[in-house]
Amino acid sequence: QVQLQQSGPGLVRPSQTLSLTCAISGDSVSNNRATWNWIRQFPSRGLEWLGRTYFRSKWYNDYAPSVRSRITVNPDTSKNQFSLQLTSVTPEDTAVYYCVRDGYWGFWGQGTTVTVSS
Amino acid sequence: DVVMTQTPLSLSVTPGQPASISCKSSQSLLHSDGKTYLYWYLQKSGQPPQLLIYELSNRFSGVPDRFSGSGSGTDFTLKISRVEAEDVGFYYCMQTLHPPPTFGGGTKVEIK
Repeated sequence: QVQLQQSGPGLVRPSQTLSLTCAISGDSVSNNRATWNWIRQFPSRGLEWLGRTYFRSKWYNDYAPSVRSRITVNPDTSKNQFSLQLTSVTPEDTAVYYCVRDGYWGFWGQGTTVTVSS
Repeated sequence: DVVMTQTPLSLSVTPGQPASISCKSSQSLLHSDGKTYLYWYLQKSGQPPQLLIYELSNRFSGVPDRFSGSGSGTDFTLKISRVEAEDVGFYYCMQTLHPPPTFGGGTKVEIK
């Protein structure tokens, strides 16, 4: 059974960088049949896919156009985890952030509530 | 991006009665491999979305058989045959055929 455990701060100052980590158990970030995703949910309850990383003989990334200039999703094979970095945050980035494994799309992290405020 | 439109916005159901939620996509979700990449989730208060149905009509592990998914092309339905108190929350559809994955706006289900 895949389990995803998120960590990272819940409060980020405007213009700073949001950084979250998702630790994987029961699978490998290097699994060449999986992709590892970040999705966020706004206070309005709307859900937005942000980006992903995956390994297919080499590492690939895809990002949503809305955040492409500000986002990085990286794997960490030594710790079997992957991360999200979102730079230059504004209050509009306030949301609950989730890491998610594709396939059945049934494995989600517990969520991290991130508030962008001074 | 593919637009997912859910109706109704909210639903109030008597326990033991059926319920139905509709989801329409702006493009067909049928892949050439024969699968339809449409998913249904239930999000309970304070929790991440939990998968109910994957690839149109397959119940995820542990999901009661009172939940069923159906439809084709661009029109989909989630049915609950007999609503129970534990089924309250927000329901979402999601498509993954056309990147990026996109979600419906959600349907709130409450008990009368």
